[in-house]
Amino acid sequence: EADIYQTPRYLVIGTGKKITLECSQTMGHDKMYWYQQDPGMELHLIHYSYGVNSTEKGDLSSESTVSRIRTEHFPLTLESARPSHTSQYLCASSETGSVYGYTFGSGTRLTVV
Amino acid sequence: AQSVTQPDIHITVSEGASLELRCNYSYGATPYLFWYVQSPGQGLQLLLKYFSGDTLVQGIKGFEAEFKRSQSSFNLRKPSVHWSDAAEYFCAVGASDSSYKLIFGSGTRLLVRP
Repeated sequence: EADIYQTPRYLVIGTGKKITLECSQTMGHDKMYWYQQDPGMELHLIHYSYGVNSTEKGDLSSESTVSRIRTEHFPLTLESARPSHTSQYLCASSETGSVYGYTFGSGTRLTVV
Repeated sequence: AQSVTQPDIHITVSEGASLELRCNYSYGATPYLFWYVQSPGQGLQLLLKYFSGDTLVQGIKGFEAEFKRSQSSFNLRKPSVHWSDAAEYFCAVGASDSSYKLIFGSGTRLLVRP
């Protein structure tokens, strides 16, 4: 079944560690997005991609980086995790011609201690 | 710049009662508008969307929303709430710069009393 997958679902990690949040979709969508969701629920776009080798920063400044080497894969990396990175990270994808037809993953809840 | 305002942080309704969640947007042209629902620990699910045409939009799970240009509003309604409707609800507007980015409101948490 076509879907979008995020792993891990939950991650507790120590300060200073490098982490990668995985996002994969099996729908062949060209556009992919990362949103950060605060504990108070607000969602902010931190990265997006229109296709392979295309990445852009979103509206909220983030210390994370992303890559898009394959259409289906859009990982997010934090080189050195800090407590301020504690949040939920949501990945989404959409296809050309489906205006704003987003499909969201279930999210990764990250806690940095 | 576009923005979305959801003035109610929390709303509590009794099961079987009607529901209205408010959403106001700031946008120069005709907006693309959306309502999403998020259950605890889950991602977002699209309830309904408005692009053009009929201003009353029907969605999944018995929800509907009405686009009112004069009030810059896109309120979500349901005539009879079920306990399973308890969740976070987000209103969103599509960005005007053809980036296909979604701009979200801060969300409304719906609590349902038995």
